[in-house]
Amino acid sequence: SAVISQKPSRDICQRGTSLTIQCQVDSQVTMMFWYRQQPGQSLTLIATANQGSEATYESGFVIDKFPISRPNLTFSTLTVSNMSPEDSSIYLCSVGMGSLNTEAFFGQGTRLTVV
Amino acid sequence: DAKTTQPNSMESNEEEPVHLPCNHSTISGTDYIHWYRQLPSQGPEYVIHGLTSNVNNRMASLAIAEDRKSSTLILHRATLRDAAVYYCILRDVSNFGNEKLTFGTGTRLTIIP
Repeated sequence: SAVISQKPSRDICQRGTSLTIQCQVDSQVTMMFWYRQQPGQSLTLIATANQGSEATYESGFVIDKFPISRPNLTFSTLTVSNMSPEDSSIYLCSVGMGSLNTEAFFGQGTRLTVV
Repeated sequence: DAKTTQPNSMESNEEEPVHLPCNHSTISGTDYIHWYRQLPSQGPEYVIHGLTSNVNNRMASLAIAEDRKSSTLILHRATLRDAAVYYCILRDVSNFGNEKLTFGTGTRLTIIP
């Protein structure tokens, strides 16, 4: 199993600024994932972050807007850059355990409001 | 990724069984069927998964059709704490090394006291 801690749990930010969200896992994992959940919507995958390589972004998401770091096997950050009110969402970190026959784990999310 | 179809919402009375359906007519032979749920203001949590045979765990049961084109999540005795959005997701083992989950719209389950 894995326990995921995300920081901050929530924040209110001014438009045009950037926020870095941290994701800490209590065990070493190969793959970490960042999701966005817009108000009242389902989860959308932003990118996959592997340690030691560049993150892989899904269609509609770009590195300049959502830069990701993955310095080791237990930690990752997602930055939401040059924020606008449309970026107001919940951002969630997730990890897999190395097999599609096992469960994935999610953090509690970071609730971001851009004003 | 193969797609799933779920009803947008369902209601059930407390302490009664709940059957949450999921259609996945384009499922491939290597797709695992996973269920997650998201309680209010929380991240998704794992419920159950299976490949071909029915599965039981402490949270729920998963009934998989013989042709695997549909499945049903069964909560045997719903409580108020089961009120959540339930997601049915297919995970393709042929894409091993890319464990991402693709979420659909899910079913919002309301439990009536």
